[in-house]
Amino acid sequence: SQTIHQWPATLVQPVGSPLSLECTVEGTSNPNLYWYRQAAGRGLQLLFYSVGIGQISSEVPQNLSASRPQDRQFILSSKKLLLSDSGFYLCAWSVLGQPQHFGDGTRLSIL
Amino acid sequence: DAKTTQPTSMDCAEGRAANLPCNHSTISGNEYVYWYRQIHSQGPQYIIHGLKNNETNEMASLIITEDRKSSTLILPHATLRDTAVYYCIVRVGGLIIQGAQKLVFGQGTRLTINP
Repeated sequence: SQTIHQWPATLVQPVGSPLSLECTVEGTSNPNLYWYRQAAGRGLQLLFYSVGIGQISSEVPQNLSASRPQDRQFILSSKKLLLSDSGFYLCAWSVLGQPQHFGDGTRLSIL
Repeated sequence: DAKTTQPTSMDCAEGRAANLPCNHSTISGNEYVYWYRQIHSQGPQYIIHGLKNNETNEMASLIITEDRKSSTLILPHATLRDTAVYYCIVRVGGLIIQGAQKLVFGQGTRLTINP
């Protein structure tokens, strides 16, 4: 069966520091991968999606970037975090025609 | 893009059926209705989806009206663990690129199961 792993589960970072969140999927090949963010008390917002290695599409202009160095690895990064980057970051995967499945998320607090 | 309208919150007694409505009056013919739920501090969990026929799985049933303008998610015997925010989502069919599926999450319905 397929599984998705996100880490770390929680992260506290100072303003201006870099960020790297990692997501990996097991049990499937060539998945579509997604990064979402959920600000406190708000709905999920799609940030990036990827249909293959090295292929990244950005949904909203922001202080973040994404990369997909391997088929089942999706990384969310920032060079300098802002206070507004705080939130709950979720990675998801899907294969053609099937529903998306989400990881357990990373709760990011910026101080 | 089809949008959905859901009640902000609902309550249901434990052991009873929870019926969560969703309006999607602008849904297009090739758009599916998806339901997810999010338990506090966890990632969303897929529940069920359908196009025009009613669907049932081990978690829930989905009833879609004949005109497809609304649907109801039914949790047949609600338990305390079903307390969550439930999202009704219409898949944005025009933005499917090589199978990538952009889901647009609204505010959902906060369902509270009371003992």
